[in-house]
Amino acid sequence: EVQLVESGGGLIQPGGSLRLSCAVSEFSVSNHYMSWVRQAPGKGLEWVSVLFSGGNTYYADSVEGRFDISRDFSNNTLFLQMESLRAEDTAVYYCVEGPYYFNYWGQGTLVTVTS
Amino acid sequence: EIAMTQSPATLSVSPGERATLSCRASQSVNNNLAWYQQKPGQAPRLLIYGASTRATGIPARFSGSGSGTEFALTISSLQSEDFAVYYCQQYAKWPPYTFGQGTKLEIK
Repeated sequence: EVQLVESGGGLIQPGGSLRLSCAVSEFSVSNHYMSWVRQAPGKGLEWVSVLFSGGNTYYADSVEGRFDISRDFSNNTLFLQMESLRAEDTAVYYCVEGPYYFNYWGQGTLVTVTS
Repeated sequence: EIAMTQSPATLSVSPGERATLSCRASQSVNNNLAWYQQKPGQAPRLLIYGASTRATGIPARFSGSGSGTEFALTISSLQSEDFAVYYCQQYAKWPPYTFGQGTKLEIK
């Protein structure tokens, strides 16, 4: 069974940094397109970043220059390094698999940016 | 950036009845459109991709239609487990992939 398990969320002050992880089972992050999608409390879905199997990365304008998506082949894990966090980054962050639409979703990890 | 607009924001339908949810793109996305279902406290689930292809394990009562800028998700006979929030998403022109704001399907 495919599983995506996020971790690393929590409470963080504005300006702080956080690194999210997504442990993947039943397929390799090395040959799948992987994204992060977030959902602010009570709001809709917002795509954040994608890492293509070939290594290209893309970001939403709202996080460009502050967030970095990466992967660890040996541990089959996807990461999202988040810097200079803002209150508007508060959301549940989902790790998702799919080339353009999203087949598999993790359960999400909550990031709360507050002073 | 392609903007996705869903209507209505909330749809009240009785169990057993038919529900039709709409999604409009600000420019043509051809058939590069997906639909997701999200229940409270859960991650979204892929229902439809390619505007009309059901994802694995999705019941036949869910159907997608449309192309270009106008799309619809139809649930032919609502079951209790279908009451949820539904999102459309375009993947024709990216980044960014963009979602609609969602339609809440509630029990009438």
